[in-house]
Amino acid sequence: QVQLQESGPGLVKPSQTLSLTCTVSGGPITNDNYYWAWIRQPAGKELEWIGRIHISGSVDYNASLKSRVTISMDTSKNQFSLMLSSVTAADTAVYYCARDRGAMGPEDFWGQGTLVTVSS
Amino acid sequence: EIVLTQSPATLSLSPGERATLSCRASQSVSTYLAWYQQKPGQAPRLLIYDAVNRATGIPARFSGSGSGTDFTLTISGLEPEDFAVYYCHQRAVWPRAFGQGTRLDVK
Repeated sequence: QVQLQESGPGLVKPSQTLSLTCTVSGGPITNDNYYWAWIRQPAGKELEWIGRIHISGSVDYNASLKSRVTISMDTSKNQFSLMLSSVTAADTAVYYCARDRGAMGPEDFWGQGTLVTVSS
Repeated sequence: EIVLTQSPATLSLSPGERATLSCRASQSVSTYLAWYQQKPGQAPRLLIYDAVNRATGIPARFSGSGSGTDFTLTISGLEPEDFAVYYCHQRAVWPRAFGQGTRLDVK
């Protein structure tokens, strides 16, 4: 069974860059049947899809965040990462990584989530 | 960009009752609609994908229906563990999006 685990700083200062890593176990992220996605959820609010990456190099971003987001992969560590630049308090949220089934379906396996607070 | 509108915002029912949750899309998503369950402090759990298919390990009391713009999640015979927030999700149109959620409370 695939498992995902987010890691990274829980506190980021305004205008700085948020950086998170998702470590995948139970299967390789090089499996070309899947994408690997980031989704966030501000406290008490709905889920917001951020973007995803595929082993082919294909990357898709939510247009609302595209100018600030970079998603990358490290196949040697079976990890993928999120970087979000120029953060503000509005970026405070629980950040989830997930496996995306691409054309075959939605996100099916999720990490437990990690809270990132943007504050000075 | 597609907007998913869920109704009602809150649904108060008793264990054993039937729950009917709705999700309406601002334009057609064909059958590319999923439902997730989320409990406090937990990640969303996939229940239904492609409108009608139960995900692995999901009990038969959960069922989905609909196509195009109108979708329904039905929970037949509520169990205590079913009280949670439910989100619909579309993957038909970029970017993928979620509804605002329906909170299912114990009456």
